[in-house]
Amino acid sequence: GNSVTQMEGPVTLSEEAFLTINCTYTATGYPSLFWYVQYPGEGLQLLLKATKADDKGSNKGFEATYRKETTSFHLEKGSVQVSDSAVYFCALSDNSGGSNYKLTFGKGTLLTVNP
Amino acid sequence: DVKVTQSSRYLVKRTGEKVFLECVQDMDHENMFWYRQDPGLGLRLIYFSYDVKMKEKGDIPEGYSVSREKKERFSLILESASTNQTSMYLCASSLLSGGTNQPQHFGDGTRLSIL
Repeated sequence: GNSVTQMEGPVTLSEEAFLTINCTYTATGYPSLFWYVQYPGEGLQLLLKATKADDKGSNKGFEATYRKETTSFHLEKGSVQVSDSAVYFCALSDNSGGSNYKLTFGKGTLLTVNP
Repeated sequence: DVKVTQSSRYLVKRTGEKVFLECVQDMDHENMFWYRQDPGLGLRLIYFSYDVKMKEKGDIPEGYSVSREKKERFSLILESASTNQTSMYLCASSLLSGGTNQPQHFGDGTRLSIL
């Protein structure tokens, strides 16, 4: 079956530090990959996505590249801000089966950025 | 922007009660989803629906049912609430066209406590 493994948190950084949150996946077929962010007290918001190998998704200074050879989709940001404090979820959508609209989520990584 | 509205942010019910959680989306999306979110477990899919009156079980459907009588509304029903159903419940919707590339749009969640 499909699965997503992301680094366990919590991750605590100082403002302007470099961020990497690792995400690897197992899937049949050719999945689409997503990063979602959940700010305190809110639902999940799509942060970025990539739909095929070597695609790079980017938004709000965050980037992630779809690496088929390493089955990875690591999230990076060059300089984090306090406002980036949130829980980040890696997810995949697999188009190989009948239930091809479902997302499989990682367990989430809590990021705290201190001023 | 897509808006997914969940009827309650916080809800407290008693063991054995029948509980209804309501979700409405305003973008004519075909797919709708119910998840529960628990610390250390991430998001787990309870049920989803890809059309009016159509539904499919997710990964943890036991103790839940759903109803989709109109395209914009997807209800989650706890037939006889139990304390282990205390959780954060998230509703989401997505377009059918474009397949797995379509992101899901989430509501702000309902934090349900069963006493």
